[in-house]
Amino acid sequence: QKEVEQDPGPLSVPEGAIVSLNCTYSNSAFQYFMWYRQYSRKGPELLMYTYSSGNKEDGRFTAQVDKSSKYISLFIRDSQPSDSATYLCAMNDGSSNTGKLIFGQGTTLQVKP
Amino acid sequence: KAGVTQTPRYLIKTRGQQVTLSCSPISGHRSVSWYQQTPGQGLQFLFEYFSETQRNKGNFPGRFSGRQFSNSRSEMNVSTLELGDSALYLCASSLGSGGNTDTQYFGPGTRLTVL
Repeated sequence: QKEVEQDPGPLSVPEGAIVSLNCTYSNSAFQYFMWYRQYSRKGPELLMYTYSSGNKEDGRFTAQVDKSSKYISLFIRDSQPSDSATYLCAMNDGSSNTGKLIFGQGTTLQVKP
Repeated sequence: KAGVTQTPRYLIKTRGQQVTLSCSPISGHRSVSWYQQTPGQGLQFLFEYFSETQRNKGNFPGRFSGRQFSNSRSEMNVSTLELGDSALYLCASSLGSGGNTDTQYFGPGTRLTVL
């Protein structure tokens, strides 16, 4: 079993829809949780960064972390065709001697006009 | 600030050859991590360098190696290439201090094709 599980999709929604992307994980030591967006033939771009449990909002994006359930989510409101990309969750335990991120498989999202 | 740069962007090699990829981190960043991305396995951590020392390593064979220079630039080397090494190789840089301010920023990647 992988440390981080993410439904690869693909997920197809109409423009304006609310999108929910999710990851589950098994390592209770994870404290830092990230969402990256990756367009085709590009490197991942950091979208959201959350420490421990709780919610964080940035424009149309909201990240939620529930450490008790080992479950994280990314919500996209008023989705746009430009949001079409692969969304990757990533996490680590935040120790000072490692930059190692554990990634989910990535969910491919298509927003149709 | 300039972002993370990787060279070359594309490479085609044949089995048995070796290859060297280069990564220049964001100015001021001391940590460089390397990842392999494939459709089947996703993004997998290769290794991390900080202040010219490897401080973390993933589960890859010894054919994969790297180094970091005093200016924080990093190279990774793959020897005796196999077909399964075809992938997008991504480099990420960060301050390297850990904690909740230390986020990683990725370069565009080098796409390696092994024939």
